[in-house]
Amino acid sequence: GDSVTQMEGPVTLSEEAFLTINCTYTATGYPSLFWYVQYPGEGLQLLLKATKADDKGSNKGFEATYRKETTSFHLEKGSVQVSDSAVYFCALSPGGGSNYKLTFGKGTLLTVNP
Amino acid sequence: GAVVSQHPSRVICKSGTSVKIECRSLDFQATTMFWYRQFPKQSLMLMATSNEGSKATYEQGVEKDKFLINHASLTLSTLTVTSAHPEDSSFYICSARDPAGVNSPLHFGNGTRLTVT
Repeated sequence: GDSVTQMEGPVTLSEEAFLTINCTYTATGYPSLFWYVQYPGEGLQLLLKATKADDKGSNKGFEATYRKETTSFHLEKGSVQVSDSAVYFCALSPGGGSNYKLTFGKGTLLTVNP
Repeated sequence: GAVVSQHPSRVICKSGTSVKIECRSLDFQATTMFWYRQFPKQSLMLMATSNEGSKATYEQGVEKDKFLINHASLTLSTLTVTSAHPEDSSFYICSARDPAGVNSPLHFGNGTRLTVT
């Protein structure tokens, strides 16, 4: 079945540092890929997504590129802020229009110190 | 933006009792809602898909008589953990699909921390 493997945390960075959270997936067909973020005490929010190979999703300075050849969707940000401290989840949904049944990675806790 | 409200946020109950968790879509009609369970340091695992006006579809390995799901209206789905046991202690999260949403297919509640003593 489908699965998502993401970098285990926790990850601790200083403000303005470069961030990479690795995510790889296993799926049949052509899944859509997502990054969700969960701030303390809140629900999951969609951060960015990509629906086909070589697409780049971006939002709030975060980027991730759908790499079919390496089955990866790594999350990057050039300069993190304290407000980026949260748990980040990589997820996929199967292709074929079922764009809502999500398979999640375990989540990566990011802490950014001032 | 679209909001999903989940209640309660935390609940502690005694073994053998039942607990009901509510999930409401506040500003959209959710024909489909999803219930997830998250163990510490584990992924969110889909438990069931709740469709308004019909029976829920459960994922393999999830006991439907244990986890009762009702989706009686377009804005409310409930999950009842029946005869709870300590191993049911977990973080339960609901999500709702906004049919009109283009960029965000799912909206999530804040989750419910269930502790069974």
